Amino acid sequence: QLALTQSPSASASLGASVKLTCTLSSGHSTYAIAWHQQQPKRGPRYLMKLSSDGSHYRGDGIPDRFSGSSSGAERYLTISSLQSEDEADYYCQTWGTDFVVFGGGTKLTVL
Amino acid sequence: QVQLVESGGGVVRPGRSLRLSCAASGFTFSDFGMHWVRQAPGKGLEWVAVMSYDGSNQYYADSLKGRFTIFRDNSKNTLYLQMKSLRTEDTAVYYCAKDMGQHISWYEYWGRGALVIVSS
Repeated sequence: QLALTQSPSASASLGASVKLTCTLSSGHSTYAIAWHQQQPKRGPRYLMKLSSDGSHYRGDGIPDRFSGSSSGAERYLTISSLQSEDEADYYCQTWGTDFVVFGGGTKLTVL
Repeated sequence: QVQLVESGGGVVRPGRSLRLSCAASGFTFSDFGMHWVRQAPGKGLEWVAVMSYDGSNQYYADSLKGRFTIFRDNSKNTLYLQMKSLRTEDTAVYYCAKDMGQHISWYEYWGRGALVIVSS
């Protein structure tokens, strides 16, 4: 069964970099995912689509501080030069022919 | 620019019905699949349903089949979610989201959400 696993929380210092992980369930390592950001009290915002080969497609207006990479069943979101507004929940999303799946989300704290 | 504006949320008694709308603009609505996603208070995102670009296919989360119906009016650039037999656990912010393609793929744009509170 297709599923996504994310760590519940992460933290990093202002100006530093952080790498968030989304893990695809066994047998689904070739699936693409999308990353979405949800700042406090706001709706989600699309960040990027990330393929199994690491190629990624950022949404409109998303700065290149946000980048993606892949290794096996792991999909990564790296945020560099962390800013206070990056403190948010980050969700990964994938899809099948007749359904959509979200990871549980990672709450990022910027110290 | 792309805009998705949900409406129709509010407070409703358990067992009653409610219809949400999502008005779309800034893109050719009839070319894209559209989804509903919900988020219960303090919880993560949960996919609800999708309708293909032309309305020919709709799919639902297993837990919601039979109670929720997704439909669209391409002449009005509007997506709908009809919810019946509402339960307290349906309390959530409901978002509509634009698919990147005609059916199911990733979400390119999200609305701001409509809050539904099911309470006696």
